[in-house]
Amino acid sequence: QQQVKQSPQSLIVQKGGIPIINCAYENTAFDYFPWYQQFPGKGPALLIAIRPDVSEKKEGRFTISFNKSAKQFSLHIMDSQPGDSATYFCAASKNQGGKLIFGQGTELSVKP
Amino acid sequence: DAGITQSPRHKVTETGTPVTLRCHQTENHRYMYWYRQDPGHGLRLIHYSYGVKDTDKGEVSDGYSVSRSKTEDFLLTLESATSSQTSVYFCAISGTRGETQYFGPGTRLLVL
Repeated sequence: QQQVKQSPQSLIVQKGGIPIINCAYENTAFDYFPWYQQFPGKGPALLIAIRPDVSEKKEGRFTISFNKSAKQFSLHIMDSQPGDSATYFCAASKNQGGKLIFGQGTELSVKP
Repeated sequence: DAGITQSPRHKVTETGTPVTLRCHQTENHRYMYWYRQDPGHGLRLIHYSYGVKDTDKGEVSDGYSVSRSKTEDFLLTLESATSSQTSVYFCAISGTRGETQYFGPGTRLLVL
């Protein structure tokens, strides 16, 4: 049973575009929602995270939008650059961290 | 990679043989995790540790065991490797349960 569903599997945008990656979760006990970025041959690295008491969080060009009633959250990358080309994973956990449940991943390609 | 090393980085083994992967950290973090990464599944938690000699199962623990005799080392053992355990294995650490998890560089394991 996939508790966190991520879409799309892959995404191609032009430089300057705004890719959007979506995640949906089932367990209402989840209270921590991070996004990880992974480059080929490397381990994932935390990009940005949100807790359900806010509907939006921005860090630089990265924004998380959170819809608690719909049990959905999404990552927006403003002014995307070729260097943003990577695989992005959403995740969720309960009790404010610990055991993370990951989405399936989205492979993003930003064309120059 | 936040003071995390994994060894070996690559391994090829045969079905039925035991395999041990090592995760070593220099951050003195309490929590350590083992994940496996497979296409279409994202990362899935195998086992985690919340202190020396304190471990617990994740969502895909069958066929794996772990040990943690020192704060800095977390070992993952495949007792009798199977082809379904061919994967990339990542270790992660965090200082507290709610903090960011930092991932190591990964071990690519091929079971023939």
